[in-house]
Amino acid sequence: AQKVTQAQTEISVVEKEDVTLDCVYETRDTTYYLFWYKQPPSGELVFLIRRNSFDEQNEISGRYSWNFQKSTSSFNFTITASQVVDSAVYFCALTAGGTSYGKLTFGQGTILTVHP
Amino acid sequence: DGGITQSPKYLFRKEGQNVTLSCEQNLNHDAMYWYRQDPGQGLRLIYYSQIVNDFQKGDIAEGYSVSREKKESFPLTVTSAQKNPTAFYLCASIGGVLNTEAFFGQGTRLTVV
Repeated sequence: AQKVTQAQTEISVVEKEDVTLDCVYETRDTTYYLFWYKQPPSGELVFLIRRNSFDEQNEISGRYSWNFQKSTSSFNFTITASQVVDSAVYFCALTAGGTSYGKLTFGQGTILTVHP
Repeated sequence: DGGITQSPKYLFRKEGQNVTLSCEQNLNHDAMYWYRQDPGQGLRLIYYSQIVNDFQKGDIAEGYSVSREKKESFPLTVTSAQKNPTAFYLCASIGGVLNTEAFFGQGTRLTVV
C-alpha cells in the first residue's frame, strides 16, 4: 500500500513571501517516483516535477525548488518570492514499483492563496 | 500536438441515467487512468488500464465501468448504481521515460440534475 500526506490544507501568504508546501509519503517499494502537480482554477493538472527514489539531489527551477529527503520520507516544495499567479491547489503524488507500477496516488492537496 | 482529450467539458445527467465520459490520447501511452475529484479533496483512482483489453479496479470502482478496446481510448461509464456521481473527472495516461510521466486531460465536470 502507498500513501501521500499533505498536512497543510490551506496556506495564505502575501506576495513576495516564500512558502513551503510539505509532502510526506509511505511506500514499501524501494523504487518509486514522486511528483508535484499544480491545479489552477481551470481544473487541469499541470505537471511540475518528477523525482525518482535513487536521486536525492535537490532541484531548483526558477522560483521553484524541491527538497527530497528519503530519511524522513519527505518531498517538500518551496516557492520563492510568491506571486498572485501561484495561487492554485498543489498536489504531491507517488507511484511505486512492482505490480503497482504506474498507479499514481495523490495527497489531499494544499490550497495556496497569494494575496497582492 | 500530442495530448489527452476529454469530452465533454461539462455534462449533466438525470438521476437513473448512465453517461459515458470520453478520454482519448495520441501519446502512444500504454497506461490510462480515471480519477474522481470532489471539492476540497484529492484525486481518487476509479479504474486503470495498463494494456489494451485489460483494466483493473481502483479505490472507488463501484458504480463505474470502463473499456479499453483501443490503445488510444479509455471511456468511463458512470452508471445509475453510482449514488453520488456529481464530481470532477480526470483522465490520465502514463508513459515517457520508464513510464513515469503522467499527463492529464482537462477534465469533465459531471452534475446530476
